[in-house]
Amino acid sequence: AQSVTQLDSHVSVSEGTPVLLRCNYSSSYSPSLFWYVQHPNKGLQLLLKYTSAATLVKGINGFEAEFKKSETSFHLTKPSAHMSDAAEYFCVVSVMNRDDKIIFGKGTRLHILP
Amino acid sequence: GAGVSQSPSNKVTEKGKDVELRCDPISGHTALYWYRQRLGQGLEFLIYFQGNSAPDKSGLPSDRFSAERTGESVSTLTIQRTQQEDSAVYLCASSRGLAGAYEQYFGPGTRLTVT
Repeated sequence: AQSVTQLDSHVSVSEGTPVLLRCNYSSSYSPSLFWYVQHPNKGLQLLLKYTSAATLVKGINGFEAEFKKSETSFHLTKPSAHMSDAAEYFCVVSVMNRDDKIIFGKGTRLHILP
Repeated sequence: GAGVSQSPSNKVTEKGKDVELRCDPISGHTALYWYRQRLGQGLEFLIYFQGNSAPDKSGLPSDRFSAERTGESVSTLTIQRTQQEDSAVYLCASSRGLAGAYEQYFGPGTRLTVT
């Protein structure tokens, strides 16, 4: 079975400062990991995904995430926050076997302070 | 091309009534997912269709919930005898294959309010 935990329900950072959104997972098999973003009144959009290739994954809008198997983590980072980054972020774990399951974290709301 | 569409965008219904929600996936996408998102919560997996395989219904919360999909096209999610706890946004997503490998494309959702 797999699970995903987003450690912070809310994160506030000042514009121009680094962003760190934390995600830990557990999985009996090699997982695929994703980050999705949901802007207010908009649909969910894929930011980036890890599927057993390079452990450092670059996504859209300057975001990246590093898969750390030893720490079972897949934290999302961005060097410099922008006001447009304010949104809800979801970490997702999936296992590619015949019982493909998709598990969404509870989400982290990112607030950007001017 | 067109993205995933869902209808209606909003639905208000009385407790005890049945509702039907519709999802039109992206053409050619073999996989289709339904999720429920309660206010302030993450996404809760409901059901998954992949090609002609039997659907994975493991996320359906009760036997009042059912879903159908015609081939690799339209899907409907039906909730019978609605309860107030069914109030949520229902999201549909499609992908080219198993979502473990392929990006899911999400529709705008149907906001269901049960009064």
